[in-house]
Amino acid sequence: GAGVSQSPSNKVTEKGKDVELRCDPISGHTALYWYRQRLGQGLEFLIYFQGNSAPDKSGLPSDRFSAERTGESVSTLTIQRTQQEDSAVYLCASSLGGGGYGYTFGSGTRLTVV
Amino acid sequence: DQQVKQNSPSLSVQEGRISILNCDYTNSMFDYFLWYKKYPAEGPTFLISISSIKDKNEDGRFTVFLNKSAKHLSLHIVPSQPGDSAVYFCAASATSGTYKYIFGTGTRLKVLA
Repeated sequence: GAGVSQSPSNKVTEKGKDVELRCDPISGHTALYWYRQRLGQGLEFLIYFQGNSAPDKSGLPSDRFSAERTGESVSTLTIQRTQQEDSAVYLCASSLGGGGYGYTFGSGTRLTVV
Repeated sequence: DQQVKQNSPSLSVQEGRISILNCDYTNSMFDYFLWYKKYPAEGPTFLISISSIKDKNEDGRFTVFLNKSAKHLSLHIVPSQPGDSAVYFCAASATSGTYKYIFGTGTRLKVLA
């Protein structure tokens, strides 16, 4: 597609349940990133995929968070045993990998844990 | 430790005047900087960038200034328009690394008609 697509756009889940968020990057973009934005805060880096290299997971806040990417296409972010502090907008972005272009972000998934 | 800081959470400017958004960083390894604009319920969109080899980059009404010695950058919008009302994020990266950008907390700009 023309842009980065994320699904679902909104998700309400009960505390303790697992959730899976999906990201379809722009075709041909080798780099894919997950960020989150909690209410009143900035964008917090979670994980970065670049081609076939090992992902940079340094931003994942706990072992309840994991992400996968199939080749240079779709990525899923999984949060297990969700907690209320996981409530945030989860943003996916992709790029050609060059710093000069920055990222193209999707519209995000708003996750609410009740 | 917040490596990229935007100390003004909000800013109001009259239409037609200049908007100046500020950003400070602490990591001297950062050598590439971006500004993003975000409307409600949308993802951030890339606005303008600057490399550390420059001190100014201009694109239409938007100019970014970089002061490496002060570890400070600013975004100037002139003239400001009501459609510029949005949250603006600055981001920094050490491009010798993984192009992982560290974002500031954002400044909400409101341009008053």
